[in-house]
Amino acid sequence: GPKVLQIPSHQIIDMGQMVTLNCDPVSNHLYFYWYKQILGQQMEFLVNFYNGKVMEKSKLFKDQFSVERPDGSYFTLKIQPTALEDSAVYFCASSRDWETLYFGSGTRLTVL
Amino acid sequence: GDKVKQSPSALSLQEGTNSALRCNFSIAATTVQWFLQNPRGSLINLFYLVPGTKENGRLKSAFDSKESYSTLHIRDAQLEDSGTYFCAAGSSGNKLIFGIGTLLSVKP
Repeated sequence: GPKVLQIPSHQIIDMGQMVTLNCDPVSNHLYFYWYKQILGQQMEFLVNFYNGKVMEKSKLFKDQFSVERPDGSYFTLKIQPTALEDSAVYFCASSRDWETLYFGSGTRLTVL
Repeated sequence: GDKVKQSPSALSLQEGTNSALRCNFSIAATTVQWFLQNPRGSLINLFYLVPGTKENGRLKSAFDSKESYSTLHIRDAQLEDSGTYFCAAGSSGNKLIFGIGTLLSVKP
């Protein structure tokens, strides 16, 4: 099936630093999403993005978070500055329309 | 409270047996997706449903929007079916609300 790629699979940084998580969505998809999963818990919606703009964000999408997709390349989630509670697996997803979402394999972020 | 409740939270099956997982919704779900998160953490799409049923091999899923639930039936369970099964409800706006998952272990 369609593949969403996330690079890297694991990232370790010190608290207070900036981190950028990269997502290569399915090529003809127009809608992009970030979800957060704390170990052993459910996936939580962070944000969705369409036509260069954030459409909707949850209360988990703090002011320190930002998303962009410059020039149709990677869809990125930037956290600046990071906090300990940002440690989680972040999943990117994309969809062609308001239907099936396809997820990447996640980036495990560890904030020390 | 939980908008998407999955049951059971964990399940152990003997290889070759059948079982069913369930999601109950306390929101007005218009669509449902089922995923399998494998031990490596990857999320595999199983089904996208509007009200009705779908079948794919040994898996069959149903979504009843009026009664606000969805089921996933696994027939002839195999070892590779092991993992965490998530259902997710789509409602207003294009975001999914996930359940907490059912951890399935299939044993030989």
